Amino acid sequence: KAGVTQTPRYLIKTRGQQVTLSCSPISGHRSVSWYQQTPGQGLQFLFEYFSETQRNKGNFPGRFSGRQFSNSRSEMNVSTLELGDSALYLCASSLGGVPSYEQYFGPGTRLTVT
Amino acid sequence: KQEVTQIPAALSVPEGENLVLNCSFTDSAIYNLQWFRQDPGKGLTSLLLIQSSQREQTSGRLNASLDKSSGRSTLYIAASQPGDSATYLCAVPSTGNQFYFGTGTSLTVIP
Repeated sequence: KAGVTQTPRYLIKTRGQQVTLSCSPISGHRSVSWYQQTPGQGLQFLFEYFSETQRNKGNFPGRFSGRQFSNSRSEMNVSTLELGDSALYLCASSLGGVPSYEQYFGPGTRLTVT
Repeated sequence: KQEVTQIPAALSVPEGENLVLNCSFTDSAIYNLQWFRQDPGKGLTSLLLIQSSQREQTSGRLNASLDKSSGRSTLYIAASQPGDSATYLCAVPSTGNQFYFGTGTSLTVIP
């Protein structure tokens, strides 16, 4: 079974631009979560989608948004990029429904904002 | 809000040693606890998942224990190898499937 895939793997953007990251979960998984990882803040939760609905959202500004499609694939969008948005963005998938299921992470997208 | 702490922050051991990584959490009402491994610049690899009803889980040279009442979990690595060098993270989920992560233990196994 294929693992979680994220595209693109690396991205360089300029301040003020916007970016869209994509995550394809493991087949059959309906929950997709997004995390931002930086050296100073560690792993921080952005949001979680289950069956195309956002179930939970972390403490990030409205510039960060996401969505999930009917095939469970998810996209995350960041508008008006700031230097501080440079980070490794990770998505995780699980069967969903209840939080007792194992989470599987993708390889991440490394975003650099200049 | 759940807070997860990992001790030590960094650990360096000679190859072949057995070692223990610690994870503590403030809210004992957890569904499960998951241990991950992260290599530099890479994603997270799931190592072990312990459900709240379990006390331990084993996978190869890894053994994880869970004591909900005291808010602690330990990851035991037997006969460490250089390939075990990585950052180890523990995480617990909230009701909203949001995972709270510890800050990790950076492990270096010296050949």
